[in-house]
Amino acid sequence: DTEVTQTPKHLVMGMTNKKSLKCEQHMGHRAMYWYKQKAKKPPELMFVYSYEKLSINESVPSRFSPECPNSSLLNLHLHALQPEDSALYLCASSQDGGWGRTDTQYFGPGTRLTVL
Amino acid sequence: GIQVEQSPPDLILQEGANSTLRCNFSDSVNNLQWFHQNPWGQLINLFYIPSGTKQNGRLSATTVATERYSLLYISSSQTTDSGVYFCAVERETSGSRLTFGEGTQLTVNP
Repeated sequence: DTEVTQTPKHLVMGMTNKKSLKCEQHMGHRAMYWYKQKAKKPPELMFVYSYEKLSINESVPSRFSPECPNSSLLNLHLHALQPEDSALYLCASSQDGGWGRTDTQYFGPGTRLTVL
Repeated sequence: GIQVEQSPPDLILQEGANSTLRCNFSDSVNNLQWFHQNPWGQLINLFYIPSGTKQNGRLSATTVATERYSLLYISSSQTTDSGVYFCAVERETSGSRLTFGEGTQLTVNP
């Protein structure tokens, strides 16, 4: 099973709302990632978790708060977002290749977020 | 940071045609992956190919790490091949960071 699942598929929220995105994988991968993708642009890395610890934060604003409750789950908590945060949010997972190397990344279908 | 350039940016083919997509990168890498993003946004990993040649059905890829480029070949294209093809690389010193190119938008017409 090479599936990464994400919920919800679509999310519309106001700037004062708090919401969470969820990602799950059951491939035994120990590295999980959040990416943000704007229309007609490539994915941009936001966060990397390795063995349930945050290893990379690409200077993401604090209104995005990641959480890795266990090795299969990854959450992204959203609070006080801006309209420019509207994008496709992609989760991915991979075997940890060791020495900071990533193995093949498997992506979820994404959550399409609209901030009003 | 590392620069990743993909060409061509757009490609329109008739069904059955063959094509070659190119990815150039500016620094040594220990990881290179090709992805296909379908019109619904799903990213599918096609190849993990830091060097050498691999084939999977109608698709094949070659990476020449010493010359810092990779090629993706699509033969006998089908309408379902339409979408955006991304090359992504991980620099030797970047630690688990994949940097994506801008992609090639492929349209295959029936």
